[in-house]
Amino acid sequence: GAGVSQSPSNKVTEKGKDVELRCDPISGHTALYWYRQSLGQGLEFLIYFQGNSAPDKSGLPSDRFSAERTGGSVSTLTIQRTQQEDSAVYLCASSPRRTSGTNANTDTQYFGPGTRLTVL
Amino acid sequence: DAKTTQPPSMDCAEGRAANLPCNHSTISGNEYVYWYRQIHSQGPQYIIHGLKNNETNEMASLIITEDRKSSTLILPHATLRDTAVYYCIVRVAANSGYALNFGKGTSLLVTP
Repeated sequence: GAGVSQSPSNKVTEKGKDVELRCDPISGHTALYWYRQSLGQGLEFLIYFQGNSAPDKSGLPSDRFSAERTGGSVSTLTIQRTQQEDSAVYLCASSPRRTSGTNANTDTQYFGPGTRLTVL
Repeated sequence: DAKTTQPPSMDCAEGRAANLPCNHSTISGNEYVYWYRQIHSQGPQYIIHGLKNNETNEMASLIITEDRKSSTLILPHATLRDTAVYYCIVRVAANSGYALNFGKGTSLLVTP
């Protein structure tokens, strides 16, 4: 079946511009995560959506970052007034996030290919 | 989530089995062992996970010691496309933080 998709695959923008990054999770997955990965670094958690619950925004680095998830499916990460330090690969992951039944308490996350953001 | 220790790098000849070790001596009884990999310029890819029994899927096998303090990911017939950084992660999904802590991982180089 189709995996997690992200668009665009690459985005080059000028400092101070706003950008929107899109994530289409795997159909039926209730949990959606945004991470970013700077060159040669590990994954940095940004935000987490679970069903209709309020998102966990604890990883967002500043108020220039925001995200929404419409209809419990597609998510958009918006970065306002981009800065050069925002340059990174932005990764989206989704998970069925089962909390009962088979594989209860597991949280296998499936990642998209990422969006490489370059801020000039 | 329990801390994991992996060797920084390993080599494996194409067609041979790649055995990637992971130590997780502080693992708790309800923590799962997950393996992901990240091929250069791609997003992380889930490989396999387990609690205490050995697991096998189409990609790999996961061998967990009886005391659960260590595990080994086995790629039975490594190919050049298996060259990647492999991450061992121990976590409780239900009540842990949401972020996956990938650590440094093991950089596996499969050679012709």
